Amino acid sequence: TAGITQAPTSQILAAGRSMTLRCTQDMRHNAMYWYRQDLGLGLRLIHYSNTAGTTGKGEVPDGYSVSRANTDDFPLTLASAVPSQTSVYFCASSETTGANVLTFGAGSRLTVL
Amino acid sequence: GQNIDQPTEMTATEGAIVQINCTYQTSGFNGLFWYQQHAGEAPTFLSYNVLDGLEEKGRFSSFLSRSKGYSYLLLKELQMKDSASYLCAVRDSNYQLIWGAGTKLIIKP
Repeated sequence: TAGITQAPTSQILAAGRSMTLRCTQDMRHNAMYWYRQDLGLGLRLIHYSNTAGTTGKGEVPDGYSVSRANTDDFPLTLASAVPSQTSVYFCASSETTGANVLTFGAGSRLTVL
Repeated sequence: GQNIDQPTEMTATEGAIVQINCTYQTSGFNGLFWYQQHAGEAPTFLSYNVLDGLEEKGRFSSFLSRSKGYSYLLLKELQMKDSASYLCAVRDSNYQLIWGAGTKLIIKP
């Protein structure tokens, strides 16, 4: 069972460049989420999608965009990366928006220099 | 503002019992969650509490007091594999999850 697949696992990016983090799930979950995890801070929600075709802004959406063209895929794009976007990014999904269990991907470690 | 507080780090001995506390102040309450995260890995779901009281699941138990804005995760018969970070999260009135920074648990032989 694959669950959620994230790519790349890690990436070093020059400031000002664009980058898309990929996220694919095979559980047919309706809701998907992007979080960033920084040392000393809790997971912070960047963007979410309650169902295919809809997206919403989380706590820290600036500098990021998402799309949800179908149920399985939820890519996160950084249009022009800045060093403060250095973080570990986790994609997650749940059966529905109010479901009790989130399933997380393995994470993508991004370093912006 | 919304806030979740939990200790940064705790140390315990293999075979012992440890209690990890979590206090919260949020806009509304729709459940409290505990997740386990091993270093370099994804968080995985441990428990969910929405009513006051104790929920037991094997060696792990989670307690909730909504009036006190307080929860704890109790780990019994500690094993070396329990070395991990434990994340407390509260679902607020907008059904958004607010996460604590996590408690790193170090198990010593």
